[in-house]
Amino acid sequence: GQQVMQIPQYQHVQEGEDFTTYCNSSTTLSNIQWYKQRPGGHPVFLIQLVKSGEVKKQKRLTFQFGEAKKNSSLHITATQTTDVGTYFCAGRFRAGGGADGLTFGKGTHLIIQP
Amino acid sequence: NAGVTQTPKFQVLKTGQSMTLQCAQDMNHNSMYWYRQDPGMGLRLIYYSASEGTTDKGEVPNGYNVSRLNKREFSLRLESAAPSQTSVYFCASSNQGGTEAFFGQGTRLTVV
Repeated sequence: GQQVMQIPQYQHVQEGEDFTTYCNSSTTLSNIQWYKQRPGGHPVFLIQLVKSGEVKKQKRLTFQFGEAKKNSSLHITATQTTDVGTYFCAGRFRAGGGADGLTFGKGTHLIIQP
Repeated sequence: NAGVTQTPKFQVLKTGQSMTLQCAQDMNHNSMYWYRQDPGMGLRLIYYSASEGTTDKGEVPNGYNVSRLNKREFSLRLESAAPSQTSVYFCASSNQGGTEAFFGQGTRLTVV
């Protein structure tokens, strides 16, 4: 089946350092979403990328969608303790439909050391 | 505006027992979903309902049944619980058109 690979599985950083998580697909994606899950919490939608080469920013978070629409990244600048959690990408291989069409990556756990 | 509400939040079952996880959303969404989350496995779709009156299997449907009771409610039933069903279960809802999914708080289920 179609898979979305996400790396790394875990990332330890010192507070103030940058963080990046990557998602890759072997086939072209229609779009990709990113979610954040705090420890003990539930996934919360962050953003959706649709266009080839798209770059979106939310304060210290930068999201990119590759030119071939097969990869995406989330970069956090100068991490803070509030950034702790698991970041998931969710790729959509076909246009339309609802969340049933999303394939989630396994997530990257961000651990921040003060 | 409560969003997506799941009950119960925690449950311990013995092997072979049955139970129903309840989910309700107040956002007038057409589509609802049940996921399970296991360590190192991410989120896996169990069943979904694209609209009231329809249900479809997801990636891991074995051992589960669902009911879309009305537009608001979507329940997940374990007829004979097994230790392999120990997991965190999330209900979610969304509109059509590939928009974001809204998740409930989760049910932490342990089968002993």
